[in-house]
Amino acid sequence: NAGVMQNPRHLVRRRGQEARLRCSPMKGHSHVYWYRQLPEEGLKFMVYLQKENIIDESGMPKERFSAEFPKEGPSILRIQQVVRGDSAAYFCASSPGSGRPGQYFGPGTRLTVT
Amino acid sequence: DQQVKQNSPSLSVQEGRISILNCDYTNSMFDYFLWYKKYPAEGPTFLISISSIKDKNEDGRFTVFLNKSAKHLSLHIVPSQPGDSAVYFCAGGNEKLTFGTGTRLTIIP
Repeated sequence: NAGVMQNPRHLVRRRGQEARLRCSPMKGHSHVYWYRQLPEEGLKFMVYLQKENIIDESGMPKERFSAEFPKEGPSILRIQQVVRGDSAAYFCASSPGSGRPGQYFGPGTRLTVT
Repeated sequence: DQQVKQNSPSLSVQEGRISILNCDYTNSMFDYFLWYKKYPAEGPTFLISISSIKDKNEDGRFTVFLNKSAKHLSLHIVPSQPGDSAVYFCAGGNEKLTFGTGTRLTIIP
């Protein structure tokens, strides 16, 4: 009865490197969301995906950030050429998409850019 | 433009008493309002939601009240227990959630 899984839990990258964050939704959930939490702030929506489709990416920075949710495998949030300001906790959530509210969150990936 | 606001960064309540967490919003287009609880180094845990067409929803010790004219919602926890100590976030929306900045609740034994 696994919940939302995220890996890695902690990721350290040097400036200019790429960061790949993975998220496996709860069993039976077809909708995936990514949020970012900066220190002392609330969670900020980044992107909403269904299998093979980006539904809403209005919260994604225009450059360096991309997300996918392929037909097979986990959802990936990719950050290219990371900068110190990308250091944050990145949370993935999933829902069954039945119209009922409530997204179920994973434990997060804490990205540190040195 | 902060659409969801939690003006109290912290709250302390005696065990057994009622905890009341407050949230104000500016976006009247939200379909739902939700409350999440978060422990350090963990993801948020969904607690309870309320449809924008309702004014109250109850689940065990948790009750959420929605005052649409005041654009205000609150979460009541009664009786408060030590395990309720956490950061509580309110959020509005459905697919795309907009979160407040959180209130740290401390239950005093």
